[in-house]
Amino acid sequence: DGGITQSPKYLFRKEGQNVTLSCEQNLNHDAMYWYRQDPGQGLRLIYYSQIVNDFQKGDIAEGYSVSREKKESFPLTVTSAQKNPTAFYLCASSLRRGPETQYFGPGTRLLVL
Amino acid sequence: AQTVTQSQPEMSVQEAETVTLSCTYDTSESDYYLFWYKQPPSRQMILVIRQEAYKQQNATENRFSVNFQKAAKSFSLKISDSQLGDAAMYFCAYRSVSSGSARQLTFGSGTQLTVLP
Repeated sequence: DGGITQSPKYLFRKEGQNVTLSCEQNLNHDAMYWYRQDPGQGLRLIYYSQIVNDFQKGDIAEGYSVSREKKESFPLTVTSAQKNPTAFYLCASSLRRGPETQYFGPGTRLLVL
Repeated sequence: AQTVTQSQPEMSVQEAETVTLSCTYDTSESDYYLFWYKQPPSRQMILVIRQEAYKQQNATENRFSVNFQKAAKSFSLKISDSQLGDAAMYFCAYRSVSSGSARQLTFGSGTQLTVLP
């Protein structure tokens, strides 16, 4: 079945540690996105990529990094520079034509030890 | 920058009844897309319905329909014959079609819908 997978479902980070969240899609979508969701709030865009080997910062990119080496994959690294990383992280993808409706993965919950 | 406002943090509805969730947005653009997403306890975001701003006809998907008032910048979601499975957080979202935009979704803060048996 086509869809978006994210792993792990839960991730624990120690102080000063970098961690990487995985996002894979087999929908043949060109664009991929990372969002952060904090309790009681909507989603905020961290990074997005419209094409392989290209990505742009969203509204809250500080303390995060991404890569887009393959069309199917868009991993997000939460660096030690991100001082408040505890949140729910959602990956999405879309085509780059028409309404460009974004479809979401199941999310990763990141907690700081 | 566009903003999306959902003024009802929580709502409840009796099973089989109808409920309307409100959403307003602020934009200077004439063409854009509006979406309603549902986030059940599993926390996966699920697309409920989409509306193109250039279409006057309100979008409908089975029991879900919207009331799109472009001049008022209002985009409400009506759920008919509410079911227990409709209980979730509902988010309204806006997306620009401007060629210079990030194509990102701008989300409201959500409305938590409870369905009472």
